[in-house]
This record gives sequence, structure tokens and C-alpha cells, in this order.
Amino acid sequence: AQKITQTQPGMFVQEKEAVTLDCTYDTSDPSYGLFWYKQPSSGEMIFLIYQGSYDQQNATEGRYSLNFQKARKSANLVISASQLGDSAMYFCAMEGYSSASKIIFGSGTRLSIRP
Amino acid sequence: DTAVSQTPKYLVTQMGNDKSIKCEQNLGHDTMYWYKQDSKKFLKIMFSYNNKELIINETVPNRFSPKSPDKAHLNLHINSLELGDSAVYFCASSQDLGTGPLNTEAFFGQGTRLTVV
Repeated sequence: AQKITQTQPGMFVQEKEAVTLDCTYDTSDPSYGLFWYKQPSSGEMIFLIYQGSYDQQNATEGRYSLNFQKARKSANLVISASQLGDSAMYFCAMEGYSSASKIIFGSGTRLSIRP
Repeated sequence: DTAVSQTPKYLVTQMGNDKSIKCEQNLGHDTMYWYKQDSKKFLKIMFSYNNKELIINETVPNRFSPKSPDKAHLNLHINSLELGDSAVYFCASSQDLGTGPLNTEAFFGQGTRLTVV
């Protein structure tokens, strides 16, 4: 069985500070991918970053980086120098690369950036 | 060009009606999905299709029936709508390349806000 857990329902951060959004996962698949999506108030889902389970290095995309700790089964998203436009819901997601095609999502973290 | 498009964006309808939500992707992806986002923002998968074949059918009422005429389309038909069906429904697609290290990020449509009154 696969499971994604985001333990922070909401967070407030001062503008320009770095923020870490927590994500832990559980899977029996030997190979899997981890994703983070941003959902602003407009409702669309925006892909941010991807980490493959066999990737040796942590993924980075601009101000986003993924702190991947395989042994601890965690895939935290780090946003550096937060901006007001970062205020949104953030979802951690996982796809196990077995025969079934399924991406599962965590419950999300609502991030609010204070000016 | 929009990668994954779903229509309509908003749908308000009365209980008991039958409605459809359409989804099309122009990315050439093999796999398409339907997700339901509840009032608490939790995203739950409903269906997954790979090359027009149903792969996953999670525990959803039989009133929900996906239709995939070709691999670029996955429509969601809902019969006898109930108040509890009110939610935002997302269509998504990804490229399924088989096993091994992959980057199968999913691309999402803009969502359809369904309100049943």
C-alpha cells in the first residue's frame, strides 16, 4: 500500500524567509517518483519539482529544492526566499512504478506568506 | 496551447441530473486520470486509464463512469447526481514509459467545480 502524509495543515512565514514543507511517504515499490504541486487560490495544479527514488542528488528547480531522505522516507520541499506569490496550497505526491498507474496525494499544506 | 483541458470549468446542476465533464490532452501521454478534490482540499484518485484501458477504479459509486474514446480523451459521466458529489474534479495525464527511473510528472487540467443543488 502507498501512503503520503503531510502533517502541517497550515503555515505562516515571513516574506523572504526560507520555508520547509514536510512530506513523508510509505510504499512497497522499489522504484517510485515523488512530486510537489502548488495550488494557488485560482485552483489549478502547478507542477513544481520531481525526485526519482534512484536519483543520487536532491532535485532543485529555481527557488524550490527537495530534501530527499530515502531511509527516513521523507521528501520535504524547501522554498528559499519566499515571496507573497508563494501563498498557496502545496501537495506532495507519489507514484509507485509498479504495474498500476496511480499518483496519490497528501492532504496538502496551506502556506501563507506575510509581508 | 493548453496541455490538458477540461470543460466546463463550472457546473451547477440539480440533484438527480446526469452530467458529463470532458477532458482532452494534447501531450501524447498514455495515461489519464480523474481526481476528486473534496472540501478539505484532499485529492483522491478516482480512475486511471492507460491507452484507453481502465487501470484503476477506486471505490467510487457506480454512478460515475469514465469513457475513453481514444487515449487523448477521458470523459467523466455522472448519473443521478447527489449533493455529496459537489467538489472540484481534476483531469490529469502523464507519460507511462514502463518500469525504471522515470519522470512521469502529471499535468493537470484547470479543474471543474461541480455544485449540486
